[in-house]
Order: sequence, then structure tokens, then C-alpha cells
Amino acid sequence: QKEVEQDPGPLSVPEGAIVSLNCTYSNSAFQYFMWYRQYSRKGPELLMYTYSSGNKEDGRFTAQVDKSSKYISLFIRDSQPSDSATYLCAMRNKFYFGSGTKLNVKP
Amino acid sequence: KAGVTQTPRYLIKTRGQQVTLSCSPISGHRSVSWYQQTPGQGLQFLFEYFSETQRNKGNFPGRFSGRQFSNSRSEMNVSTLELGDSALYLCASSFEGVETQYFGPGTRLLVL
Repeated sequence: QKEVEQDPGPLSVPEGAIVSLNCTYSNSAFQYFMWYRQYSRKGPELLMYTYSSGNKEDGRFTAQVDKSSKYISLFIRDSQPSDSATYLCAMRNKFYFGSGTKLNVKP
Repeated sequence: KAGVTQTPRYLIKTRGQQVTLSCSPISGHRSVSWYQQTPGQGLQFLFEYFSETQRNKGNFPGRFSGRQFSNSRSEMNVSTLELGDSALYLCASSFEGVETQYFGPGTRLLVL
């Protein structure tokens, strides 16, 4: 079993939709949770991070962590074509990454 | 503040050769981690260096090695290249290594 599981997608949504991206993990020792966005042929770019259960909001992005269920989510409101990218969840103590969900937002 | 830089950006090698990749972290960051990214395996952790010492290591063969210099710049070496080593190699830096990491643009390696 992988340490971190993430649905690879692709996920295709119309512009303006609310997007929900999810990851599950198996190691209850993970303390830091992050979401990265990666555009094609670029390195991952940090979007959000949190180290506690609950919600954290930043503009159109909301990160949600449920440690009891070992489940994290990223919500994107009012999605834009520029949001089309691969989204990677990550968590640590050591860094473990999900395989990434490819998101396509259609104009 | 300048971001993480990696050189070279693209590299073509043949099987059996060796390669050295370089990473310059964000100024003040002391932790540098290396990752291999392939379409099939995703992002896989290679190793982390902190203050010139390897602090963590992933599950890669000994052909993959690295080092960190006193100015926190890091190099990664792959010896006896195999076709399966073709990948995007990413380096990421952080201040202490516990908190979030910031990635460079990567070096795309093609082994023929």
C-alpha cells in the first residue's frame, strides 16, 4: 500500500465550477500537509500548507485536513482555465507525495 | 529573493554514462532534497541534505548519490545510467527541512 493515495484523474470541469481534489494517507505520524500545483514541464509550486486538522482558506483555495480519517482535500472555487494543471498532495515527516490529479478547466 | 535554480535544464546521455546535476537553494535555506519524477511513478524522494550531511534517504540504488557544499548548494550524481533513469529530476529547498519545500524547475534527463 502506498503511503499516499491520490486519484490521477484527469478531472475535467467547466469554468466557474467548484473543484474538489482529495488524498488519503496511511501513516498517522504525518503532521504537515501540503498542496502543490505543477504546470506542464515545470517544477511543483507550493499552493497551501497546514499542520492541523480543519480548514485553511487562501483566496479561491481551501485546504481541509481530517486527521481522524487520514483524508485531505483541496477545494478550488470559481475555477479558471489558468487552474488547469496537475495538483499534488504532499505530507511529511519525510516527504511523501501523491501521484497527482490532472485538472482541466474548460472555458 | 531568487528561487531554487537547477542546471542544466535538459540533458541527453547514453546508457552506461554518468551524470551530475546541480541545485542552488533559496538563499538562507539549509535543506536540499532531490526527487525523481516520472509519469508512471510520480514524484519519488531520493535524498535530503542538511548542513552538508545526508539526513534522509529514499529507496533508490547506490548509483544515485549526492552531496551538499558549505554554501548549501547541492549536486546529485547518477552513475552507470540506465534507460529507466530518464526522468525529471527536481530539487527542493527549505530552511530547516521540517516545513514546506520550494521546488526548482527541474532537470529533464533523457537516457538513450
